[in-house]
Amino acid sequence: AQSVTQPDARVTVSEGASLQLRCKYSYSATPYLFWYVQYPRQGLQMLLKYYSGDPVVQGVNGFEAEFSKSDSSFHLRKASVHWSDSAVYFCAVSATGGYKVVFGSGTRLLVSP
Amino acid sequence: EAGVTQSPRYAVLQEGQAVSFWCDPISGHDTLYWYQQPRDQGPQLLVYFRDEAVIDNSQLPSDRFSAVRPKGTNSTLKIQSAKQGDTATYLCASSLTGVSGNTLYFGEGSRLIVV
Repeated sequence: AQSVTQPDARVTVSEGASLQLRCKYSYSATPYLFWYVQYPRQGLQMLLKYYSGDPVVQGVNGFEAEFSKSDSSFHLRKASVHWSDSAVYFCAVSATGGYKVVFGSGTRLLVSP
Repeated sequence: EAGVTQSPRYAVLQEGQAVSFWCDPISGHDTLYWYQQPRDQGPQLLVYFRDEAVIDNSQLPSDRFSAVRPKGTNSTLKIQSAKQGDTATYLCASSLTGVSGNTLYFGEGSRLIVV
């Protein structure tokens, strides 16, 4: 069964600084990998996804993530964060051809002025 | 295109009471999911459907939770005899098989507080 670990429950960065949120997955084959964001009092929205091809995938609002099969990771990055990026970020994994999507515990990002 | 709609947005119950949550997925989406999200935790899958069929309900506490999607469109999640441990936000999501690689579209959630 697939699983996801997000080791950092909270991350604080200064506005304009770079960001990396960590995600490790467990799955025997190549999975679908996702990053979702949850703003206060809103539903989850997908930022980006990966299945195959270029291991660096671009998402919305300047986010990107890099897939590493050797490291079983799918870390999220942004070159320069804005205060509006403050939210909870979830990494998720789905088996190839499957419907079940499993989420990590989330990382709460606080961007300080 | 309308998104996923959930109601009610909030519910406050005493232990032992029942509640039903309703979800209207994006039109044409064949797969529908119910997740439970306790405060400060990630969403945990309860059950999901393809059309009207239950694909996986192994995480649904079957003694008090039930979910249906009788016509393969709207869905209802019911909790009978609620407990304080059921306090959470209940998220509904939908997707279209074979398109966008299992991308889920979420509603805003139904927040349940059991006192």
